[in-house]
Amino acid sequence: AQKITQTQPGMFVQEKEAVTLDCTYDTSDPSYGLFWYKQPSSGEMIFLIYQGSYDQQNATEGRYSLNFQKARKSANLVISASQLGDSAMYFCAMREGRRYSTLTFGKGTMLLVSP
Amino acid sequence: DVKVTQSSRYLVKRTGEKVFLECVQDMDHENMFWYRQDPGLGLRLIYFSYDVKMKEKGDIPEGYSVSREKKERFSLILESASTNQTSMYLCASSLSDRERQPQHFGDGTRLSIL
Repeated sequence: AQKITQTQPGMFVQEKEAVTLDCTYDTSDPSYGLFWYKQPSSGEMIFLIYQGSYDQQNATEGRYSLNFQKARKSANLVISASQLGDSAMYFCAMREGRRYSTLTFGKGTMLLVSP
Repeated sequence: DVKVTQSSRYLVKRTGEKVFLECVQDMDHENMFWYRQDPGLGLRLIYFSYDVKMKEKGDIPEGYSVSREKKERFSLILESASTNQTSMYLCASSLSDRERQPQHFGDGTRLSIL
């Protein structure tokens, strides 16, 4: 069964608008972490934001924030005030809490920001 | 800043060749990982290592092996390259076995097997 699901293959947004990228996950482990990465066309994977399963508040990092709904098992990335440089692939990933667990990635969402 | 360096951005090899992809990190990270990335499939874990001389199979280890003789270096080896191993290969490292620690990635190697 797929552990990370990103249902949007592609999203379009206009510059300066906000956009939400969806991510749902599946785990029975009470302890886990969720990560979002950005991959521009140049190929490097850039870590954006982290949310822990026991964190009381939704994570925020500058223009990035996580809409974490634990009961729904969703961890959507919100990008506020989109910029042209935000055009990239975005990956959601999960790490479960057991020792030596690894990251499981979703298939990604391509975001295109237009002027 | 963490620096993960992959030896080549682009590489072209022939079928049957033995191919080495090198990855070096400069932050004394315990954990290192090799992924391949294919369109529509996301990132898939090939091998990972939590310590020197230690290796664990990931989701798709067939056709690959790894070597970690020093803490900072993690090599991916294609024993006999085949065309279905044409892909983007990404190396990553992380500080410890703590769930909060993100993995830091290199720039990737686009490998073509002809």
